[in-house]
Amino acid sequence: GAVVSQHPSRVICKSGTSVKIECRSLDFQATTMFWYRQFPKQSLMLMATSNEGSKATYEQGVEKDKFLINHASLTLSTLTVTSAHPEDSSFYICSAWTGTWGYTFGSGTRLTVV
Amino acid sequence: GESVGLHLPTLSVQEGDNSIINCAYSNSASDYFIWYKQESGKGPQFIIDIRSNMDKRQGQRVTVLLNKTVKHLSLQIAATQPGDSAVYFCAETAASYDKVIFGPGTSLSVIP
Repeated sequence: GAVVSQHPSRVICKSGTSVKIECRSLDFQATTMFWYRQFPKQSLMLMATSNEGSKATYEQGVEKDKFLINHASLTLSTLTVTSAHPEDSSFYICSAWTGTWGYTFGSGTRLTVV
Repeated sequence: GESVGLHLPTLSVQEGDNSIINCAYSNSASDYFIWYKQESGKGPQFIIDIRSNMDKRQGQRVTVLLNKTVKHLSLQIAATQPGDSAVYFCAETAASYDKVIFGPGTSLSVIP
């Protein structure tokens, strides 16, 4: 089946710095990728939809200038958390529609801002 | 961001019993529904899906029921095993390539 490889799996950063999370589609081309955030004991909350070669579509309430999404190729989408603060600490997960194999999810990135 | 609910109900079942996890979805226009299993620190894992033109679908030890009239989904797990302990999410989407919106989730705990 199709796999999305997400890195890093864990990252700790200082408050005020930026962190980049990468999701790569292996063995398939991902025209669209979805980015989610999950706080402890809560559901996955959709943040944005990234489309290859165009601007991402952000969900209501998600700051586009804080969560920069780039989808420059059919196999790579990145999420950059800019000027991170402790309240941005969360589990970030990417997903892509693979077609034949449905939706596939990355393994997630645990971000801790100290 | 968009989400459905912020709490996490729990369900405890005895090993070998059947489990039923329920979910109310929000969008009457949703066409495709998916159940996911999530273990701690991992991404969601596909369990079973169903389209809006069906009311029941069976997999290995799992069955999904869809009631569009009351916008309700259920996941039945037969002969629940300790390895089934996890958080289960229902999810909905308007089309099979569109954004997926997750329900609040249910934590399933299997008692040996």
